[in-house]
Amino acid sequence: QQPVQSPQAVILREGEDAVINCSSSKALYSVHWYRQKHGEAPVFLMILLKGGEQKGHEKISASFNEKKQQSSLYLTASQLSYSGTYFCGTGANNLFFGTGTRLTVIP
Amino acid sequence: DVKVTQSSRYLVKRTGEKVFLECVQDMDHENMFWYRQDPGLGLRLIYFSYDVKMKEKGDIPEGYSVSREKKERFSLILESASTNQTSMYLCASSISKGFLGTQYFGPGTRLLVL
Repeated sequence: QQPVQSPQAVILREGEDAVINCSSSKALYSVHWYRQKHGEAPVFLMILLKGGEQKGHEKISASFNEKKQQSSLYLTASQLSYSGTYFCGTGANNLFFGTGTRLTVIP
Repeated sequence: DVKVTQSSRYLVKRTGEKVFLECVQDMDHENMFWYRQDPGLGLRLIYFSYDVKMKEKGDIPEGYSVSREKKERFSLILESASTNQTSMYLCASSISKGFLGTQYFGPGTRLLVL
């Protein structure tokens, strides 16, 4: 029931864009996105509760395609501070997280 | 700001020892969670609690138990620690019931079982 994230790792130069995908073999009821910097606790980014929903703040946004059982996280014009591991989580009566996508932004 | 604290950042225990990991939140949240985080496996839910003295099993409860005697405190207990329980343990709390709200994570406890 663990969602699958892709890619597993990505390296960007400052200013470049990235997309992180999260897909599930089961129906998605909600999708959470978190970012964890090295040695720190995961920090909430956003949650999408229904199909077709799109959310975003600053230059980080996400979409939720309920039919495709998939969510995508979009990072545009990346900054050094975006580096970290991004996790998606999904579930109704439990919360299953993906294994994470390690994003590294270099100058 | 929500604050979730965990009693220890690092802990070393021996096989067979009883281990207590403590978590305290200061925002009067109803819901609290325990996860473990392992390389390549991501975060996995061990137990969660919606209320005092209430607990629900997560994805991997075997080998663990929990206690919630007060609203702000949620303890994870390893009755007899084993080497495969060496991991990073993360506690979280949420104001929303279920899994539809923001979870605020503590800094984690890195446990090594020898």
